[in-house]
Amino acid sequence: NAGVTQTPKFQVLKTGQSMTLQCAQDMNHNSMYWYRQDPGMGLRLIYYSASEGTTDKGEVPNGYNVSRLNKREFSLRLESAAPSQTSVYFCASSEALMGHRDSPLHFGNGTRLTVT
Amino acid sequence: KQEVTQIPAALSVPEGENLVLNCSFTDSAIYNLQWFRQDPGKGLTSLLLIQSSQREQTSGRLNASLDKSSGRSTLYIAASQPGDSATYLCAVREKSSGDKLTFGTGTRLAVRP
Repeated sequence: NAGVTQTPKFQVLKTGQSMTLQCAQDMNHNSMYWYRQDPGMGLRLIYYSASEGTTDKGEVPNGYNVSRLNKREFSLRLESAAPSQTSVYFCASSEALMGHRDSPLHFGNGTRLTVT
Repeated sequence: KQEVTQIPAALSVPEGENLVLNCSFTDSAIYNLQWFRQDPGKGLTSLLLIQSSQREQTSGRLNASLDKSSGRSTLYIAASQPGDSATYLCAVREKSSGDKLTFGTGTRLAVRP
């Protein structure tokens, strides 16, 4: 069971370049998320997709776009990278939130992005 | 806006000691609270999930409690081992923000042999 798979693991970009971070899950989860993790700031939600065909902004969406390609895949795109986007990016998935019952979040191993 | 705080930010204990990690949150209208473990250079691994209607959850040497009314959760680790060294994060799924979690900044635990 692969769980949540993120590619690439590492990336260095120059300011202004674009790239897409890929994420796929094999657990048939409805909801998927993109977080960034910065020292001293914890994980902050960039975008999420509660179910296939829907996407919503999180806490820090500026400078990013997402695509929920199908139920398995959720990609994050940086159109014009900036040094402030240097961070570790995590993709996660869970079963959809319905009422009070929920399932744990499952995380990928992250993409370490440096923008120079 | 929900805020999640974890104190202390770092903790070092000798092997074998029982320890408690703390998590507090400002808005008690939550669906659940999760505790995660993060090893250096890795993603987060879910340890325990406590529903808002529950008081505690146990898994092996780990026990997590939830006091929703006071906005607090604790993670108790019994008989700590060097392999428990990691950063521990808590996160709440809040009712007002839909299908999202708000994370604390974590407690970095070091267990000395």
